[in-house]
This record gives sequence, C-alpha cells and structure tokens, in this order.
Amino acid sequence: TQLLEQSPQFLSIQEGENLTVYCNSSSVFSSLQWYRQEPGEGPVLLVTVVTGGEVKKLKRLTFQFGDARKDSSLHITAAQPGDTGLYLCTVLMYSGGGADGLTFGKGTHLIIQP
Amino acid sequence: KAGVTQTPRYLIKTRGQQVTLSCSPISGHRSVSWYQQTPGQGLQFLFEYFSETQRNKGNFPGRFSGRQFSNSRSEMNVSTLELGDSALYLCASSFGDPRAIGEKLFFGSGTQLSVL
Repeated sequence: TQLLEQSPQFLSIQEGENLTVYCNSSSVFSSLQWYRQEPGEGPVLLVTVVTGGEVKKLKRLTFQFGDARKDSSLHITAAQPGDTGLYLCTVLMYSGGGADGLTFGKGTHLIIQP
Repeated sequence: KAGVTQTPRYLIKTRGQQVTLSCSPISGHRSVSWYQQTPGQGLQFLFEYFSETQRNKGNFPGRFSGRQFSNSRSEMNVSTLELGDSALYLCASSFGDPRAIGEKLFFGSGTQLSVL
C-alpha cells in the first residue's frame, strides 16, 4: 500500500481550464511539500505546508493542507502549457530514531494542451 | 550560482556490470541525497551523505552504495546490475538537514540508466 496516494494519475486538459490534484494518506504528517518535475529535469520545490488548514498561493497555484494534516490539494487556475509536468507530494517519515527521509507519492502527470 | 550537476546524463550497461554515477552539489551545500525514480515505484530514497558520512539509508540492497568526498561531491555505485535497476537516478543537495521540516532539496537533472 502506497503511503501517499496521488490522484488523478494522469490529467490532460486545455489551456485556460482549472484543475485540482490531490495527495491523500491515512497518516498524519507534520509537514508536506509539493514539487513539480518537468520532462528531462529533476523536481523543483513549489511549496511547504505545515499547519492544518493552511492555504498558500503561488501565482495561479493554490495549495491547501487538510485540517487533519492527512491530505493536501493543489488547484491551478487558468492552466497554461508551462504548467505541464509531474506534480509530486512528499512528506517526512519518522521512526524511533527520528526522521528517516522524504517519502514521495507517485505523482500526477499533467498535460496542458494549447 | 551553478545548480546540482549530475554526470553522465545517459548510461547504457548490461546485466552483471557495475556503474558509478557522479553528483556535484550546489556550492556550500554539504548534504547530498540520492533517489531512484521508476514509472512503477516513483521516487524512492537511496541514501544521504553529510560531511563524508552516510547519515541515512533507504531500503535498497547492498549492491547500491555511495560515498561523499571532502569537497561534498558524491558518487553512487551499483554493482552486479540487474534489469530492474533501469531508472532515472536523481541527486539532490541541501544546505541543511534534508530531514528538517521545510528544508528545500535542489535536484539535478538525473542520470538515466538503462540495463540491457
């Protein structure tokens, strides 16, 4: 079972449309990050959310951390071809000795068609 | 400021061979992490080095190893390659501890390894 479930797996929409992608889990997290990976490149950090219910905006992108800190959403308004990429959510995993490292969801592949 | 540099960009090997991948972090960053990315499993953590010491390790077999040099550059090695090792190997550097909340990882473009 995947710790972080991202949905949808694939999304292809027309330029100018709005969309929302999700990152869900049954576990509670102290923080969550969203990265975007463009074809042929490594992931780039978009945002970090740490407080339940927190909403952060980055131009046309709106990120929300669930009240219970188990899930997050990313909403894009008026999508543009430059938004095309793989959107990844990631969290810190902890064991008895402290944080183990980042765990990533499998991502949402987003294609914005001109 | 130069970003994270990974070499080579592409690599083709055959089963049973070994391979060494290189990563140069952003100047001033002392932590280097390695990840394997495949379509089926996504991004999976391999290991993290800080000041030449492996500080954290993911759940991969002992065929996967790494090291970090005094200038923070890092290499990872995969011995006795298997078909399933075909993947994009990503290196990421950070100024602080990547396990700290909100710490930002800077990724390189990766090395695409194909095992035939």
